[in-house]
Amino acid sequence: DTGVSQDPRHKITKRGQNVTFRCDPISEHNRLYWYRQTLGQGPEFLTYFQNEAQLEKSRLLSDRFSAERPKGSFSTLEIQRTEQGDSAMYLCSPSEAFFGQGTRLTVV
Amino acid sequence: QKEVEQNSGPLSVPEGAIASLNCTYSDRGSQSFFWYRQYSGKSPELIMSIYSNGDKEDGRFTAQLNKASQYVSLLIRDSQPSDSATYLCAVPYYGNNRLAFGKGNQVVVIP
Repeated sequence: DTGVSQDPRHKITKRGQNVTFRCDPISEHNRLYWYRQTLGQGPEFLTYFQNEAQLEKSRLLSDRFSAERPKGSFSTLEIQRTEQGDSAMYLCSPSEAFFGQGTRLTVV
Repeated sequence: QKEVEQNSGPLSVPEGAIASLNCTYSDRGSQSFFWYRQYSGKSPELIMSIYSNGDKEDGRFTAQLNKASQYVSLLIRDSQPSDSATYLCAVPYYGNNRLAFGKGNQVVVIP
C-alpha cells in the first residue's frame, strides 16, 4: 500500500484523443506532485499543488496539459489532443516517501 | 549540466557480491538525497534517504554522501536476484521539494 491510488493503471488511446488520469492520496496531504517517466529515463517533474493551488508547472507541461486539484484532495491530469510523444508513465506523489502505482499511457 | 547524473551503464553482479552505484548532483545547496528502487513496470520505491556527510546503513543497503564532492552513492551488499531493478537517485529542490531524478542505473544480479 503506497498510500496513493492512481486510475486507470493503463490507458491506450488513439492520437488526437483526450485522456484524463486521476490520483487519490489515501490520507491527507497538503502537497501533490505529478511526474512523467519515459522509457530509460528517471521521472521528470510536471506540476505541483499545495492544497488546491497549482503553484508550479514545468516547461514540459504544454498547453495541451492541464491539472486540477479541487478541494485539495484528489487530483486530475488531462492531456488534450494526445501525441505519440505523450506515451509514458504518469506518476503522482504526495511526498518523496512514496509514489502512486502510476498510469501507463500508450498513444497509438 | 544536468541536475542529477547517473552515468554508469547496466551493472551485472554475481549473487552475493557488492553492487556499487554513483550519483552526482549540481546544486551545492542540496540538503537531502534519496535512492529509489524501481522494478520494471512499477513505480519508484524509496529505499534510502541521507542528509549528512558520511555513511548511512539500512540492512544490506549503505548510502554514502560527500557534499564537498557533490556525490552520493549506494552500496548493495550480499546482492540477491530480487535486487535486480533500476536504481534512481533523486534530489529535492529547496522550497517546493519537487524531485530531480537521475536517469537510473539498471542492476542485474546473476544467480
